[in-house]
Amino acid sequence: SQTIHQWPATLVQPVGSPLSLECTVEGTSNPNLYWYRQAAGRGLQLLFYSIGIDQISSEVPQNLSASRPQDRQFILSSKKLLLSDSGFYLCAWSSRTDSPLHFGNGTRLTVT
Amino acid sequence: KQEVTQIPAALSVPEGENLVLNCSFTDSAIYNLQWFRQDPGKGLTSLLLIQSSQREQTSGRLNASLDKSSGRSTLYIAASQPGDSATYLCAVTENAGNNRKLIWGLGTSLAVNP
Repeated sequence: SQTIHQWPATLVQPVGSPLSLECTVEGTSNPNLYWYRQAAGRGLQLLFYSIGIDQISSEVPQNLSASRPQDRQFILSSKKLLLSDSGFYLCAWSSRTDSPLHFGNGTRLTVT
Repeated sequence: KQEVTQIPAALSVPEGENLVLNCSFTDSAIYNLQWFRQDPGKGLTSLLLIQSSQREQTSGRLNASLDKSSGRSTLYIAASQPGDSATYLCAVTENAGNNRKLIWGLGTSLAVNP
């Protein structure tokens, strides 16, 4: 069966510090991978998606970047965090666009 | 512009009740609709996915229906249990593109009281 791992679960970082959130998927190959951010009262916002290694598309301009160094690994990064980067970050995968989207447990990021 | 609305925002019911959660969308040209469950501080769990050509999907005590023409989907939960307490979210996919740009409702927070 397929599983998705996301870490860390919580993170507190000072403004201006770098960020690296990691997501890995097991039990499938060539998944579509996604990074979402969930803000209270605003629903989920798609940040990045990837259909293959080194194939990353950004949905919104921002202080974040994403990379996919391996088929089942998706990394969300920032060189310098802003206060507005605080939020709940979710990684997700699907095998095709018409198949269910499966989420990791999320990372609660607080920028202080 | 597609908008997804979930009513009610919160619901509290006694254990054992059958209940219906509602999801409406403004543009009927959707690719599919998915229902998710989210426990506090956790990620989302996929419950049911309904393709635009389908009318309903069932999994255990859950049944989701889709009426594209009226822009509505309902999630029916039979014989509710305290373990069903969570936030339920619906999301529509507007096209078959890889970006999976789902349009999300804000969810219904469900409390099932023992």
